[in-house]
Amino acid sequence: EAQVTQNPRYLITVTGKKLTVTCSQNMNHEYMSWYRQDPGLGLRQIYYSMNVEVTDKGDVPEGYKVSRKEKRNFPLILESPSPNQTSLYFCASSTTIGSGEQFFGPGTRLTVL
Amino acid sequence: DAKTTQPPSMDCAEGRAANLPCNHSTISGNEYVYWYRQIHSQGPQYIIHGLKNNETNEMASLIITEDRKSSTLILPHATLRDTAVYYCIVRGHSGAGSYQLTFGKGTKLSVIP
Repeated sequence: EAQVTQNPRYLITVTGKKLTVTCSQNMNHEYMSWYRQDPGLGLRQIYYSMNVEVTDKGDVPEGYKVSRKEKRNFPLILESPSPNQTSLYFCASSTTIGSGEQFFGPGTRLTVL
Repeated sequence: DAKTTQPPSMDCAEGRAANLPCNHSTISGNEYVYWYRQIHSQGPQYIIHGLKNNETNEMASLIITEDRKSSTLILPHATLRDTAVYYCIVRGHSGAGSYQLTFGKGTKLSVIP
């Protein structure tokens, strides 16, 4: 089944403790992206990647890092999480050919205390 | 990307057609209209997209006005499972930035038994 998976789905952590949220897709998509969703602010793009070893900032990249060493994986790294990074995070992927319909993962709900 | 305007909420009786409007008066000639929906904090789900012509798939129909300044998403026989926030998004198909989806506030559709 074609899908985007994220782990963990839920995470409660403390300020400053480094964490990684994994994202994997099985559709051989070139494009991958991370969004965060906050009440009243909607979904905002954090980082995106057009292909392996190619990443770029979205609208809200501060406090986040990403890497794209393999085509299928696009982890989101919070080196020193802060409470303002408490949010619902979504990973998405798409082909860069044609319509580029984006497939979203199920979401990771992160709470930083 | 062009901005879109959608009503904040709509109700629809179960089994009836749901017609969700979207204004995108500043859309440019090479931008497409996309519709996604999000069911209660799940990952957004692609529904349909179009450029100029009306489009139909197994989920919905998309009607785009001749001047392309507005469009309507039609769910022909709404069910309770169609209760969701529906997002109308316009985006181009070329350049790295074109893959970013700019989500507005969308329309919260409530399907009523």
